[in-house]
Amino acid sequence: EVQLVESGGGLVQPGRSLRLSCAASGFTFDDYALHWVRQAPGKGLEWVSGISWNDDTKVYADSVKGRFTISRDNAKNSLYLQMNSLRPEDTALYYCAKGLYGSPNNYFDYWGQGTLVTVSS
Amino acid sequence: AIRMTQSPSSFSASTGDRVTITCRASQSINSYLAWYQQKPGKAPKLLIYAASTLQTGVPSRFSGSGSGTDFSLTISSLQSEDFATYYCQQYYTYSPLTFGGGTKVEIK
Repeated sequence: EVQLVESGGGLVQPGRSLRLSCAASGFTFDDYALHWVRQAPGKGLEWVSGISWNDDTKVYADSVKGRFTISRDNAKNSLYLQMNSLRPEDTALYYCAKGLYGSPNNYFDYWGQGTLVTVSS
Repeated sequence: AIRMTQSPSSFSASTGDRVTITCRASQSINSYLAWYQQKPGKAPKLLIYAASTLQTGVPSRFSGSGSGTDFSLTISSLQSEDFATYYCQQYYTYSPLTFGGGTKVEIK
């Protein structure tokens, strides 16, 4: 059974940093691209970032480019999102999502339950 | 960025109704379109990919159609468990991947 379990969310002040993690199981981790998708309270889905199976391609939404860094550790079956210079508008539930193949340009067949990030003073 | 526009943003329907949600892309995305269902407090669930291919385990009352810029999701006979919010997503390009704004289906 595929499982994606996010962690690392919490309350953080504007301008500070936070690192999210996603622990994966139930599939061959290093065969697939992985993504972060967020959802602000009461709002729709917003894709944040994606990384290819081999770490070769990393892509970002314009809203986070230069502030967020996606990475993965295939030996640990884990995905990460380093979030720096956080803003109140980054407040959202952050989902880890699995792509259908190795390149980032795909859809998402499995999602975690999300980790909540609140940016507020 | 490719903009995805869904309509309507919300509507009310009754169980047994046939309902259709539309999604329009700001440029051609061929058939690189997926549909998701999200219930309150839950993660999104993949329903359809490649515009019309049903994900394994999804009931056959769901169907998708379209190509290029215009797409639709149809539920042939709405069931109580189908009241949810639906999102389309293009994956023609990952620079960036984009979702529609969502369509909330409520009980009449």
